[in-house]
Amino acid sequence: TQLLEQSPQFLSIQEGENLTVYCNSSSVFSSLQWYRQEPGEGPVLLVTVVTGGEVKKLKRLTFQFGDARKDSSLHITAAQPGDTGLYLCAGEGYLTSGTYKYIFGTGTRLKVLA
Amino acid sequence: SAVISQKPSRDICQRGTSLTIQCQVDSQVTMMFWYRQQPGQSLTLIATANQGSEATYESGFVIDKFPISRPNLTFSTLTVSNMSPEDSSIYLCSASRRSSYEQYFGPGTRLTVT
Repeated sequence: TQLLEQSPQFLSIQEGENLTVYCNSSSVFSSLQWYRQEPGEGPVLLVTVVTGGEVKKLKRLTFQFGDARKDSSLHITAAQPGDTGLYLCAGEGYLTSGTYKYIFGTGTRLKVLA
Repeated sequence: SAVISQKPSRDICQRGTSLTIQCQVDSQVTMMFWYRQQPGQSLTLIATANQGSEATYESGFVIDKFPISRPNLTFSTLTVSNMSPEDSSIYLCSASRRSSYEQYFGPGTRLTVT
């Protein structure tokens, strides 16, 4: 069974602080995605990383995929109240039928205080 | 990208009844997925719906309880059968194109079973 553990589970910080969220697994994934979800809405895709060691930047957000494609991190610089939400990582795995599916991490709830 | 709509957005149902949730995508997609989410928690995959074949269910979910249809490349339904209060949750559908490593979510259906 493929599992994705995220840490920390909860994070409350002041505006302007930096933070890192971790997503770890013992399984190898073909790709890994990060999402942000706000109450009452579906998750919104932030980024997909595909290559081991890959680093992607999206404004103040930096995403890294581990060399072995088993883990990933999300770093936010100078957090803002608009960054508040539930952050989810999701790894892509393959089914025996040849199709694929996504396994979601345990989630990190972030609150940024003004 | 893809825009996904779900109907109904919420419903309150009586124990023992069934509810069918519809998921419509604005363009053709390879795969569609159905998830369940408790408020504030991560997503649990129910099944993968591939057009032209039977859905693939995750451990703990069975076709008799959660029958799924995928009649074409833009539409899918999930039925929650013989409901009990334990089925109260948010049900989300998503769509994915393999070539883009992207997954897009609908807004979810909030189900309460009394």
